[in-house]
Amino acid sequence: AAGVIQSPRHLIKEKRETATLKCYPIPRHDTVYWYQQGPGQDPQFLISFYEKMQSDKGSIPDRFSAQQFSDYHSELNMSSLELGDSALYFCASSAGRSSNQPQHFGDGTRLSIL
Amino acid sequence: QKEVEQNSGPLSVPEGAIASLNCTYSDRGSQSFFWYRQYSGKSPELIMSIYSNGDKEDGRFTAQLNKASQYVSLLIRDSQPSDSATYLCAVKADKLIFGTGTRLQVFP
Repeated sequence: AAGVIQSPRHLIKEKRETATLKCYPIPRHDTVYWYQQGPGQDPQFLISFYEKMQSDKGSIPDRFSAQQFSDYHSELNMSSLELGDSALYFCASSAGRSSNQPQHFGDGTRLSIL
Repeated sequence: QKEVEQNSGPLSVPEGAIASLNCTYSDRGSQSFFWYRQYSGKSPELIMSIYSNGDKEDGRFTAQLNKASQYVSLLIRDSQPSDSATYLCAVKADKLIFGTGTRLQVFP
């Protein structure tokens, strides 16, 4: 079965640079979620989109923005990168945003800031 | 206090034993409860979901939910070394909130 696709798998940037992470949800999933997971930590919710509109916002810094496109893929844009942004970034998708719809995760993008 | 609490472990069990993982949550409005398995450096993988009080079984896994006690558990029967991973409890009211995970080690 098709899963959530994220790209790139690994990304190395320097401080103050920008980065764009991409997420392609499972087919027919209309809701996308972004999470940040630091070493040894649980995933922290950043932001979510339902039917191309922002549906919820978590601990996403102002330096980050995201959007969901007409084909339901989503992009997380990160600017003025800081050392502390080094983490695994996961995208998850679900069929609808109701609470009983489980989220399925992509393999993540490992972002390293030098 | 975190909204979703788990013992970080490690929980060490011998192969073939039952592993019992526990989770408590603070938001009484939570409606959906999930267990994810995460291998080091990999993505969380959904293994169980439960929405109503009682037990739900799927193969070697049994999830238990007690909303009155705000308690969720996961039992893994006949534990295998391949079950060694971090198990994340996740609870959803309006957002999906993860616990910090319990590291399970199954030794031969």
